[in-house]
Amino acid sequence: GESVGLHLPTLSVQEGDNSIINCAYSNSASDYFIWYKQESGKGPQFIIDIRSNMDKRQGQRVTVLLNKTVKHLSLQIAATQPGDSAVYFCAEGGRSQGNLIFGKGTKLSVKP
Amino acid sequence: EAGVTQSPTHLIKTRGQQVTLRCSPISGHTSVYWYQQALGLGLQFLLWYDEGEERNRGNFPPRFSGRQFPNYSSELNVNALELEDSALYLCASSLFGGPQETQYFGPGTRLLVL
Repeated sequence: GESVGLHLPTLSVQEGDNSIINCAYSNSASDYFIWYKQESGKGPQFIIDIRSNMDKRQGQRVTVLLNKTVKHLSLQIAATQPGDSAVYFCAEGGRSQGNLIFGKGTKLSVKP
Repeated sequence: EAGVTQSPTHLIKTRGQQVTLRCSPISGHTSVYWYQQALGLGLQFLLWYDEGEERNRGNFPPRFSGRQFPNYSSELNVNALELEDSALYLCASSLFGGPQETQYFGPGTRLLVL
């Protein structure tokens, strides 16, 4: 069935390093992708999105890359900080259903 | 500007009971989505409401239902609660309904079924 998956369930990085979180999606018809950050006890927080007519989009310290050929999405966080520690979800959308399909998430731990 | 709000924040119920969760979208948003997040799992889509109509529902039994009011707020009702309904229930809203609208989430309601 349709799914959005994550290659790495956990990621531990040193403060100041760059982090890369990967995601695979299975539905080639999806044309809208979002990264969310979820801290413990909170709802998911929008980080950045990208539409399928783009292959890269940058925000503040974050970059999302989209490779439609291999159906792969990644989130790059520059100069990772302790406050970046959270679970990161990618989600795909852009189909008529309206809902997003989420992966299980990657837990990012930042060591001081 | 206030974000998506949900109430209550926490809830404890027993098997067989019924529960109603509430969501107020961001001002100006017309679409509301409900998701279930069981412990350690990703978000599973439950329901999508737009302009007062149910637009789509996920793979959940009919005892999960809801509605959207004229002010775009929404309720999620769960009847005949089961232990596996214990989860964080998240509401999200978007400016319009549609496949490329960004969904913004509330803090969730944590439901424990004993």
